[in-house]
Amino acid sequence: KAGVTQTPRYLIKTRGQQVTLSCSPISGHRSVSWYQQTPGQGLQFLFEYFSETQRNKGNFPGRFSGRQFSNSRSEMNVSTLELGDSALYLCASSLVWGNEQFFGPGTRLTVL
Amino acid sequence: QKEVEQNSGPLSVPEGAIASLNCTYSDRGSQSFFWYRQYSGKSPELIMSIYSNGDKEDGRFTAQLNKASQYVSLLIRDSQPSDSATYLCAVRASKIIFGSGTRLSIRP
Repeated sequence: KAGVTQTPRYLIKTRGQQVTLSCSPISGHRSVSWYQQTPGQGLQFLFEYFSETQRNKGNFPGRFSGRQFSNSRSEMNVSTLELGDSALYLCASSLVWGNEQFFGPGTRLTVL
Repeated sequence: QKEVEQNSGPLSVPEGAIASLNCTYSDRGSQSFFWYRQYSGKSPELIMSIYSNGDKEDGRFTAQLNKASQYVSLLIRDSQPSDSATYLCAVRASKIIFGSGTRLSIRP
C-alpha cells in the first residue's frame, strides 16, 4: 500500500506570495493533519480534517488555511508569505480521526 | 508548563544497552499516546501507540503508560547504532500535541 504523498517536495517563494501544498493520504484513510516543523519550534499542529470537515485547528494566523476533498486528499494554503514561514510542512493521515497517524515526506518551503 | 515535555538530550547510550525515553503531559483528558522516531532530514515514523495503562511491547520496543502520573515512556532494548535518532512523544486529547523530542545517540 502506498504511503502518504506530498507535492511539491521543495518550494522556494518570496515574501508576500502565496503557496498551496498538496497531500494524498494512504488509501482508505479519511483523516488528514498538517504540521509545521522548524528547528526552533519543533512540530506544531496546524489543522486536522476528517470527512471534509475541519476537526481541529492549531494556533496559527488566518493566513494558514486548508481543506479536504471528498477523496480525502487535502491542500493547505499560506497567503502573504513571511520569512518565518520557512519550514518543513508535514502531512499525516490516519484511518479515522484520533487513530495512529502516518507521515508523508514533507514539503520543504523556503521563503526569501 | 509545556503541554508535552521531553528531555531534549542528547541521551547517549552504549550499544546493546537499554535506552529509556520519558515524556510527561499536562492534559488529564488525554486518551492516546504515540512514539515517533525521526531521523535527520526525514519525516517522523510511528513506532508505538498505547492507549491504556501498563506496558505494550513490540520487538525491542516497550511503551509504558501511567495516566495517574501523566507519564509515558519508551524503552529500547539491545540498542543499535541505527536507533540513533530523535524520538517524539505525541499525546492526543481533543487534538494531538507533540513534544519537542529527545535526541538519542547510540555509541558503538
